[in-house]
Amino acid sequence: DAGITQSPRHKVTETGTPVTLRCHQTENHRYMYWYRQDPGHGLRLIHYSYGVKDTDKGEVSDGYSVSRSKTEDFLLTLESATSSQTSVYFCAIQVRQDTEAFFGQGTRLTVV
Amino acid sequence: GNSVTQMEGPVTLSEEAFLTINCTYTATGYPSLFWYVQYPGEGLQLLLKATKADDKGSNKGFEATYRKETTSFHLEKGSVQVSDSAVYFCALSPQGAGGTSYGKLTFGQGTILTVHP
Repeated sequence: DAGITQSPRHKVTETGTPVTLRCHQTENHRYMYWYRQDPGHGLRLIHYSYGVKDTDKGEVSDGYSVSRSKTEDFLLTLESATSSQTSVYFCAIQVRQDTEAFFGQGTRLTVV
Repeated sequence: GNSVTQMEGPVTLSEEAFLTINCTYTATGYPSLFWYVQYPGEGLQLLLKATKADDKGSNKGFEATYRKETTSFHLEKGSVQVSDSAVYFCALSPQGAGGTSYGKLTFGQGTILTVHP
């Protein structure tokens, strides 16, 4: 295993509530990513981080924010959850930009 | 923008059959190309990659060749096993001014492969 833990693994929440997903790594890798996986779309990049307090937007960042105050943790927040954010969320880590990205096991989020 | 298109699935095969999953891409320059595999209930694992035209990536009996002229990266395996049942994703990382990031990926929609004994 690549030393990635996503929490929670499953969550059901109500529309309009804030939700935070956590990605924790024990590898001390610099690069971290959040993706969402939806049928017919594959995975799409939400946000990424190149280090502590260094984050940027990906392809589908609207409605999401991230924070990285420590190397090991990358938090994804849905500021006000909507049904369109029902998805499986994957975190990935990478030691250098030209090396393989390792993915966590995912968090299944359902917004009702 | 960049995009990846995979053949429609699902694909159902008998054990020892030949597998092809088609993948074509749209991108400027010379992106790096990848195949990832996702087993049930797990995250994605890198299966193979190719970083320049005419490169062949290979792993676990799977192969794919980077074809610049047809913008394709088709996945093949000569004899599939039941244990190959999974979802397969083709992906690219674009060529950028500062280099390539293998973490910033554009994925295809995925192809579900089921192999029966």
